[in-house]
This record gives sequence, structure tokens and C-alpha cells, in this order.
Amino acid sequence: GQQVMQIPQYQHVQEGEDFTTYCNSSTTLSNIQWYKQRPGGHPVFLIQLVKSGEVKKQKRLTFQFGEAKKNSSLHITATQTTDVGTYFCASLPGAGSYQLTFGKGTKLSVIP
Amino acid sequence: SQTIHQWPATLVQPVGSPLSLECTVEGTSNPNLYWYRQAAGRGLQLLFYSVGIGQISSEVPQNLSASRPQDRQFILSSKKLLLSDSGFYLCAWSVYYGYTFGSGTRLTVV
Repeated sequence: GQQVMQIPQYQHVQEGEDFTTYCNSSTTLSNIQWYKQRPGGHPVFLIQLVKSGEVKKQKRLTFQFGEAKKNSSLHITATQTTDVGTYFCASLPGAGSYQLTFGKGTKLSVIP
Repeated sequence: SQTIHQWPATLVQPVGSPLSLECTVEGTSNPNLYWYRQAAGRGLQLLFYSVGIGQISSEVPQNLSASRPQDRQFILSSKKLLLSDSGFYLCAWSVYYGYTFGSGTRLTVV
């Protein structure tokens, strides 16, 4: 399946600071999905991006899909302790495929 | 609404023992079903997926197997567990996009 590289692996921020995680691929992605996994929990679907240059917002979270559809980012404005967890990007090889491939995730710690 | 049930939540098994993890989905028909494994502090690895009853696709060769005896039931099995089988096993389903994961089973092989 497609390989998606995610950076950074870890990020420690002071509460109130912003946070960004990046997802990169050497090949064009048909779509990108983002998930959040709280400590001890299971991944929870956040959003899917499909269109080149697409930007979607969910409250303090902003998701972007690159113009070339080879990269994506998740930006959190003014982090809160409830944002703690690991954020994963994931991608399907193409329409009608089933092998959702996950990046290794970015583990976010928020210092109160 | 759709729900996914996965059990048990935790499991400690000796090396060489068999394994059976069950996952059931409610509130949807003909879902795509998946088994993922997550090693401690690492990403998710797709093990098996199924698009229908009796249809199983394996992503990683190993001593695990999967079965789908009913539309909304997905089972992960092993005849003899290895130490390397320890991990967090997650069942998931999807219909269109966005996977919904179960709460997972933490398996420790000792």
C-alpha cells in the first residue's frame, strides 16, 4: 500500500500554543483521512480530504490537503489539555480500495 | 445508530495457546470489516479485511487467521500464539469512508 510519512513523531507544547502535524507521501494520494487516538483508547475518525488544496475546519482544528495531493497537515490553534493524544493520517490507495494505510502518528503532549 | 462491539478488552495468554477475538457490528448492513494491530507506541498495521461473508483478504503473512461467518461478525484467530503476537488488536468497519474502530483488545502473550 501507499506509504505516508508523518512528522514529528512527538510534540510537547504548552497549553495555549499551536500545534501542527504533517503527513507526506512520495506518490499522489487519492484522499487523506485524519484520526485521533486518546491515551489508552482507540482511533476516532476526524475528517477526510479529497480535493486538491482542500481546507476544512473543525473548531480549533484546521486540515489541509496539498495542491499536489502529496501532503497534508493538521493544525490545532491554542491547544488544550483535551487535545492530548496521537494524531494519525491515513490514506486509501484509490477509489474502491480497502487497505487504509496509516502513518506512524504524532503524539501530542500538552503541558498545563 | 451504528455500534461496534469488540471483546475481550484485555487478554493474557501463554505462548502456544489458541486465540479467538470477536467483533460484531450493529445498525448497518454489509459493512467492510477490518482487523488492525497496533504494537506499543506505534502505528496501525492492517491484518485482514473483509468485504462480505466468507471473503477474507490477508495483508500480512503470519500465524493469524480471520473469518466472517455472518454479515456483521468478524473473528480473529490463532492456533498457537507467539510472543510477537502481543499488541493492541482493533476491529473496524466502514461503509463509505471514515473507519469506525472498536474499543480494542490488549493482548499480552507470556
